[in-house]
Amino acid sequence: AQTVTQSQPEMSVQEAETVTLSCTYDTSESDYYLFWYKQPPSRQMILVIRQEAYKQQNATENRFSVNFQKAAKSFSLKISDSQLGDAAMYFCAYRRYHQGGSEKLVFGKGTKLTVNP
Amino acid sequence: EAQVTQNPRYLITVTGKKLTVTCSQNMNHEYMSWYRQDPGLGLRQIYYSMNVEVTDKGDVPEGYKVSRKEKRNFPLILESPSPNQTSLYFCASSLRRESYNEQFFGPGTRLTVL
Repeated sequence: AQTVTQSQPEMSVQEAETVTLSCTYDTSESDYYLFWYKQPPSRQMILVIRQEAYKQQNATENRFSVNFQKAAKSFSLKISDSQLGDAAMYFCAYRRYHQGGSEKLVFGKGTKLTVNP
Repeated sequence: EAQVTQNPRYLITVTGKKLTVTCSQNMNHEYMSWYRQDPGLGLRQIYYSMNVEVTDKGDVPEGYKVSRKEKRNFPLILESPSPNQTSLYFCASSLRRESYNEQFFGPGTRLTVL
């Protein structure tokens, strides 16, 4: 079974600084997808960024970027120019490639990010 | 507006009193799923449905039932709730075509079983 590990239960960063959240996963599959979700205090789950395993290029969405190391099974999230609104719980998630698209998301336990003014 | 809705958003109930949490999506998604979120455990899948009348167990199905009679609706049923089902519940949906497709989440239902 696939597992996702987030080794940092809590992280903090100063406003305007950069922070990196770690995620590792375990799988024997070669085709899969990785995601970072943000959960602010409103509890809504918001997709931040996603990465296809077959792509070597790291995904980027504005201030959010990933460092995807397939051989090491590592998928870290970098937040640049941190803003107060970035404060949230962040979940790393894995989804195995399946042509029918029915595979569940396997989530890590989350990292709580605090942004200090 | 494309969205997944859940009702109720908050519910306090007592042990053994049957309840249903509704989930509805307006995006014509084939795939729907229920997750529960507990502190320190992340989100875990309860049940999922690949299409109408097609449902299957996830990782933690005990104590739950689901049905998919219409494409847009996927209710979660607790026949006899127990305190260990106190949790935050999320419904999610996505297109079925590829695993890459984003799962859209509902706003969550906070359930407390006394």
